[in-house]
Amino acid sequence: DQQVKQNSPSLSVQEGRISILNCDYTNSMFDYFLWYKKYPAEGPTFLISISSIKDKNEDGRFTVFLNKSAKHLSLHIVPSQPGDSAVYFCAASVGTIAGYALNFGKGTSLLVTP
Amino acid sequence: DSGVTQTPKHLITATGQRVTLRCSPRSGDLSVYWYQQSLDQGLQFLIQYYNGEERAKGNILERFSAQQFPDLHSELNLSSLELGDSALYFCASSATGGRGYGYTFGSGTRLTVV
Repeated sequence: DQQVKQNSPSLSVQEGRISILNCDYTNSMFDYFLWYKKYPAEGPTFLISISSIKDKNEDGRFTVFLNKSAKHLSLHIVPSQPGDSAVYFCAASVGTIAGYALNFGKGTSLLVTP
Repeated sequence: DSGVTQTPKHLITATGQRVTLRCSPRSGDLSVYWYQQSLDQGLQFLIQYYNGEERAKGNILERFSAQQFPDLHSELNLSSLELGDSALYFCASSATGGRGYGYTFGSGTRLTVV
């Protein structure tokens, strides 16, 4: 049962434009949401996160928006750069004091063209 | 270098065999997580260990098992291997708390079952 869904397998954007990656979730108990970026032959690397008590978090060119009522989050990259070309995974968690399991979506492959 | 070390990087083995994947977490991290990424699938959570104890189980087959040793390194054992077990296996680690920073992933072990 896929609790985190990324419905767009791929996205192509021109350099300098905005990239918007979307993610939907079904479990209302999720209290932390994260985005990971993955290059080929490497492990995923943490990009940005947001707590369920917030609706926006910004870090440089990356902004994550959370709409709890719609169970939807999105990652905005502005401006997009060719080096941003990678697979982006959305993840969500319910935490415990001893750790937490992240539920991942299937990923969206972003291609930023010059 | 993320600080999480996985060995071997590649493994090719025959159906019915048994293999062991090894993971050394980032220094100071007590939690270790194992994930499987198959073709067209997202990252599927297998199991979590915290300071030597199993804490959470995901979609882990009975043919698979894991443990975390006193020095905090972890091993994932896969037995009676089938063609469908071919995948990338990632290990990740995290410190207690700090969920907003997510996990740190290793670069993965690519298992090919022939």
